[in-house]
Amino acid sequence: QSALTQPASVSGSPGQSITISCAGTSSDVGAYDYVSWYQHHPGKAPKLILYDVSNRPSGIFSRFSGSKSGNTASLTISGLQAEDEADYYCISYTSLRNPRWVLGGGTKLTVL
Amino acid sequence: QVQLVESGGGVVQPGRSLRISCAASGFRFGTYDIHWVRQAPGKGLEWVATIFFDGASEYYADSVKGRFTVSRDNSKNTVYLQMNSLRAEDTARYYCAREGPTYYIDYWGQGTPITVSS
Repeated sequence: QSALTQPASVSGSPGQSITISCAGTSSDVGAYDYVSWYQHHPGKAPKLILYDVSNRPSGIFSRFSGSKSGNTASLTISGLQAEDEADYYCISYTSLRNPRWVLGGGTKLTVL
Repeated sequence: QVQLVESGGGVVQPGRSLRISCAASGFRFGTYDIHWVRQAPGKGLEWVATIFFDGASEYYADSVKGRFTVSRDNSKNTVYLQMNSLRAEDTARYYCAREGPTYYIDYWGQGTPITVSS
């Protein structure tokens, strides 16, 4: 069982915006602004799309944005495109174990 | 550029052993913690094991503790995962991953598939 809770699936139409949540506790998501998000097309390498809650690595489009409130972090994808269809995972710092991060269970994004 | 390339996967019978490797390039390998993460068919990503940059500390998921051993050779820029007493539930694609400065994974390999089946 994953330490961080994500919805199993979300969907949206091209051009729309969707938000994926990542719920944790005060020992992980709520502790520091160390939440990251990954896009994963199965069989390929997962790709970092956000780190430290809302920072985008170079080459990641501004359509991907992140936020955090309390013990829940969120990934928002605006202007949905067909190629955004993938699995999305969050990772958060945790004070409770080693290594000092935990994975979310993943969310399947379907672009209708 | 940073590259992580896994190798050594394949089909193995239950109870047997297998060692997979992760060859790194494009960065100062000996200064980064490396993780193994797997994805079983139809499942999400699951952390498997971690080795610190200097090899001084290792951590394992409960599901593999006592059966898997992670090691590294910083002179060869390579991390290994020795998997013993393999079970059907170990069937997955195994990814190696580099940890960035603030508890995130900044680079992943393409993964190597392992199927445990008789």
